[in-house]
Amino acid sequence: QVQLQESGPGLVKPSETLSLTCIVTGDSINNRRYYWGWIRQPPGEALEWIATISYNGIPYYNPSLKSRVTTSIDTSKNQFSLSLTSVTAADTAVFYCARLVGPTYVSGYYFDNWGLGTLVTVSS
Amino acid sequence: QSVLTQPPSVSGAPGQRVTISCTGSSTNIGAGYDVHWYQQLPGRAPKLLIFLNNNRPSGVPDRFSGSRSGTSASLSITGLQSEDEADYYCQSYDSTLSGRVFGTGTKVTVL
Repeated sequence: QVQLQESGPGLVKPSETLSLTCIVTGDSINNRRYYWGWIRQPPGEALEWIATISYNGIPYYNPSLKSRVTTSIDTSKNQFSLSLTSVTAADTAVFYCARLVGPTYVSGYYFDNWGLGTLVTVSS
Repeated sequence: QSVLTQPPSVSGAPGQRVTISCTGSSTNIGAGYDVHWYQQLPGRAPKLLIFLNNNRPSGVPDRFSGSRSGTSASLSITGLQSEDEADYYCQSYDSTLSGRVFGTGTKVTVL
């Protein structure tokens, strides 16, 4: 059974860069069946898709965050990462990493396994 | 500013049926993109509940069912139980955004 675990600092200062890593165990991150993604949830608010990355490292970003977000995959460590630059208090949220799987068309992929989430607070 | 709209809350007595709507547009659900549903228990990570419109993962009770029609989708819970109290989110793909979108979320309360 695949497991995902987010890791990174719980507190980031305004204007700095938020960096998170998702460690994947129980499956290979370069398995062609899967994509990998990041989702965030501000306190008391809805889920928001941030980014997805394919098994071979092709990224897809939410247009509203695209100018500040980068995601990458490290197959040697079986993990993938998220970087969000120039953070403000509005970026305070629980960040989840998740695995995507689906039919033959990528638009149909869904998040079938999620990490527990990590709260990142932006504050000086 | 989600492009998929859900009612903020629905409620029902134990044993009753509740339905949650997910309203989109011609660039997402109306374009034929699949809808998936997630259940988020208080303080927990979301869990996949329904995938590809009307399919249940192993372990999800058949009290949960999904459907899609036109620019909307629905999640129904029959035989409502106290453990169903949670937030529920729909999710699809949007061609204008070229990415995945979540609904605004619905809180289900068991009276």
